[in-house]
Amino acid sequence: GAVVSQHPSWVICKSGTSVKIECRSLDFQATTMFWYRQFPKQSLMLMATSNEGSKATYEQGVEKDKFLINHASLTLSTLTVTSAHPEDSSFYICSARLLNEKLFFGSGTQLSVL
Amino acid sequence: KQEVTQIPAALSVPEGENLVLNCSFTDSAIYNLQWFRQDPGKGLTSLLLIQSSQREQTSGRLNASLDKSSGRSTLYIAASQPGDSATYLCAVETSGSRLTFGEGTQLTVNP
Repeated sequence: GAVVSQHPSWVICKSGTSVKIECRSLDFQATTMFWYRQFPKQSLMLMATSNEGSKATYEQGVEKDKFLINHASLTLSTLTVTSAHPEDSSFYICSARLLNEKLFFGSGTQLSVL
Repeated sequence: KQEVTQIPAALSVPEGENLVLNCSFTDSAIYNLQWFRQDPGKGLTSLLLIQSSQREQTSGRLNASLDKSSGRSTLYIAASQPGDSATYLCAVETSGSRLTFGEGTQLTVNP
């Protein structure tokens, strides 16, 4: 079946640094990928929709300058958390759709900002 | 604005028991509803997807139903096993491939 790979699975960084998270569709092309954030004991919240070759669409309340999304190819989308702060510590997860089938999710990235 | 609610928030059952997880949503204009499993610190595994025109889907010991008009779905797990212990998430898809998730039901199956 379709596989979405996300890397790294966990990262610890100092406050003020930037962190890049990669999301790859391994055996299919994904023109659209989605980025979610999940705080402890809460559900997943859509952050942005990443479109290949164009700008991402951000949900209300998500700072586009803080969460930079690049979808440079049909198999790769990246999320960069710029100038990370402790409140950005969260579980970030991406997803991609294969044609009109169900969405497939990456394994997630646990970000801890010290 | 679409809101998804899952009941109960947590459930603990002995091995072998049949159980039902509930999901409700406020806006019936959905494309589909999907049930996921999430293990601690891990990503999501899609269990069942029900298109808006369908009423149920089955996979092994899992059966999911959808009543779009009333905004409800149930996930039935037969003969539960300790390996079923996880958080189960319900999500509805609306226009633009937007998924709205519930907060999940944390299931513990005791051996």
